[in-house]
Amino acid sequence: DQQVKQNSPSLSVQEGRISILNCDYTNSMFDYFLWYKKYPAEGPTFLISISSIKDKNEDGRFTVFLNKSAKHLSLHIVPSQPGDSAVYFCAASAGGSQGNLIFGKGTKLSVKP
Amino acid sequence: DTGVSQDPRHKITKRGQNVTFRCDPISEHNRLYWYRQTLGQGPEFLTYFQNEAQLEKSRLLSDRFSAERPKGSFSTLEIQRTEQGDSAMYLCASSPFGTEGEKLFFGSGTQLSVL
Repeated sequence: DQQVKQNSPSLSVQEGRISILNCDYTNSMFDYFLWYKKYPAEGPTFLISISSIKDKNEDGRFTVFLNKSAKHLSLHIVPSQPGDSAVYFCAASAGGSQGNLIFGKGTKLSVKP
Repeated sequence: DTGVSQDPRHKITKRGQNVTFRCDPISEHNRLYWYRQTLGQGPEFLTYFQNEAQLEKSRLLSDRFSAERPKGSFSTLEIQRTEQGDSAMYLCASSPFGTEGEKLFFGSGTQLSVL
């Protein structure tokens, strides 16, 4: 049973518009959430994270929102750029898990010029 | 910061052969992780070291898999008697002690194909 779900395998957005990537989780013990970006033939690269004690974290064009009651988080990219085209993975960890991140299956974002 | 380095980038082997992968973490990072990623899936945790001690292993890590980090620096992952189901991208990651949450720095991975 998947504990971290990314239900949209792909998303296409026009350059300059907002990209919204969604992630749902089932394990209420998760207390830290991360987004990773992956280009072909490269390893995942850390993008942004959020602790369960917060509901929003912002870093430049990237903002992550956490709704604990709904067990849902989202990544907003504003404005989207063609270089943002990649696979985005949502990941979660529970306290004391020591590096055992649980990843979703990823969402492939395509930003069209 | 030279990043996490993995060798080889690609490995093709025949079923039943043994393979070994190497990972060099970021030099000041004392935590090292191995993950596996198959097509259409996210990375799955295999095992974790803090310095030379292997502290956690996933149930995915069958007895054909063994990982070592003898001097707390580089690590090797060996798969004995490979099976076609072992075909995957094997990712290594590292992080410094005390990092907030689990912000891992990944290498580019070793793509294993078992024929």
